[in-house]
Amino acid sequence: DVKVTQSSRYLVKRTGEKVFLECVQDMDHENMFWYRQDPGLGLRLIYFSYDVKMKEKGDIPEGYSVSREKKERFSLILESASTNQTSMYLCASSLSRAGKETQYFGPGTRLLVL
Amino acid sequence: DQQVKQNSPSLSVQEGRISILNCDYTNSMFDYFLWYKKYPAEGPTFLISISSIKDKNEDGRFTVFLNKSAKHLSLHIVPSQPGDSAVYFCAARDLTSGTYKYIFGTGTRLKVLA
Repeated sequence: DVKVTQSSRYLVKRTGEKVFLECVQDMDHENMFWYRQDPGLGLRLIYFSYDVKMKEKGDIPEGYSVSREKKERFSLILESASTNQTSMYLCASSLSRAGKETQYFGPGTRLLVL
Repeated sequence: DQQVKQNSPSLSVQEGRISILNCDYTNSMFDYFLWYKKYPAEGPTFLISISSIKDKNEDGRFTVFLNKSAKHLSLHIVPSQPGDSAVYFCAARDLTSGTYKYIFGTGTRLKVLA
């Protein structure tokens, strides 16, 4: 079974803090993704990576950065947290193979920025 | 501009009846579609997929229909069970993007009444 784990289920941070969200997958997937889920807006892609040290902006990258130093780990960084970054953050991974490209999600991190 | 739309934010169905969840898209280059189910406080889990070369795919109680000319996707659940109560997301991949990036809809909350 594919397993995607996220470092925290719940986080409370203060405005201006630097926040690290970690994601690890154990199935040797090439692709990794960070989304945020907000009511009425669905899942919106922040960043994704298709290989180690490679990253591409998604639809809402502003205020975020990412790091992928190892294939299994993809980190999302909020350089200076703001209240509008309060959200549910979801990490996912997938293979780069047509027909086998299902994304597998972690349990999510609910972040509250005060 | 929302390329993948789920126009019904919520749906209630009696147990044993059919649930039909709809998804519309605007990009004719979308070539692969996924449906995910999400329970509260959990990450989305893959449900069923369909390639643009097909118009139907079935897996047990779940069937996905694709109407390419109408750019419309639907998920049928028959018979509906209380455990099917969740938020359902459709997602689409753009063939021309050269990546395995998906665009998600805003979700439909299904409630199956016992």
